[in-house]
Amino acid sequence: EPEVTQTPSHQVTQMGQEVILRCVPISNHLYFYWYRQILGQKVEFLVSFYNNEISEKSEIFDDQFSVERPDGSNFTLKIRSTKLEDSAMYFCASSGGVGFRPDANTGELFFGEGSRLTVL
Amino acid sequence: DAKTTQPPSMDCAEGRAANLPCNHSTISGNEYVYWYRQIHSQGPQYIIHGLKNNETNEMASLIITEDRKSSTLILPHATLRDTAVYYCIVKQAGTALIFGKGTTLSVSS
Repeated sequence: EPEVTQTPSHQVTQMGQEVILRCVPISNHLYFYWYRQILGQKVEFLVSFYNNEISEKSEIFDDQFSVERPDGSNFTLKIRSTKLEDSAMYFCASSGGVGFRPDANTGELFFGEGSRLTVL
Repeated sequence: DAKTTQPPSMDCAEGRAANLPCNHSTISGNEYVYWYRQIHSQGPQYIIHGLKNNETNEMASLIITEDRKSSTLILPHATLRDTAVYYCIVKQAGTALIFGKGTTLSVSS
């Protein structure tokens, strides 16, 4: 069964460093997302991405964050200057596929297993 | 501003049906009801969704009341592996999927 894969599974970084989290969405999906979950808290939406641009973002997704689809397969989340409070599990997700209307963004998201970011 | 209300926790005996309720009294006509679950700290997993009619798939059944103000997710024969946090989410097409606190379901033998 196709799946969303994320790397690294765990990254430890120093405060102020840049971090890039990588995701390979399911190959025929059209919509891509990043979510995060701080330990013990709920899953929070960060950003959605469609047709090479951000379609929606939350208040959490400030100027420190950026997303990119550098090629036909990867989807990345960059945090420019990490803070202690960025420590969390980051989940990538994708949805949609061949045959869907491009604007019919379904709510059936496929999530990866997450990348745990620890900022020291 | 929560759109759904779920009990924080529920227990279920293995092999029995688990019925997870969700209130969404302010749901609008173009909003779907989605159910996801998160097992331990894994990525959330889609279970089922519906608009007006009851739905069934290999994982679960979704019963939506006629006025659409509430719904119930039914796991017909719960197993230990169904222990997870279950999220009921209402959403319009084209908008972000927003998770609340969900219901922690504990299945015991």
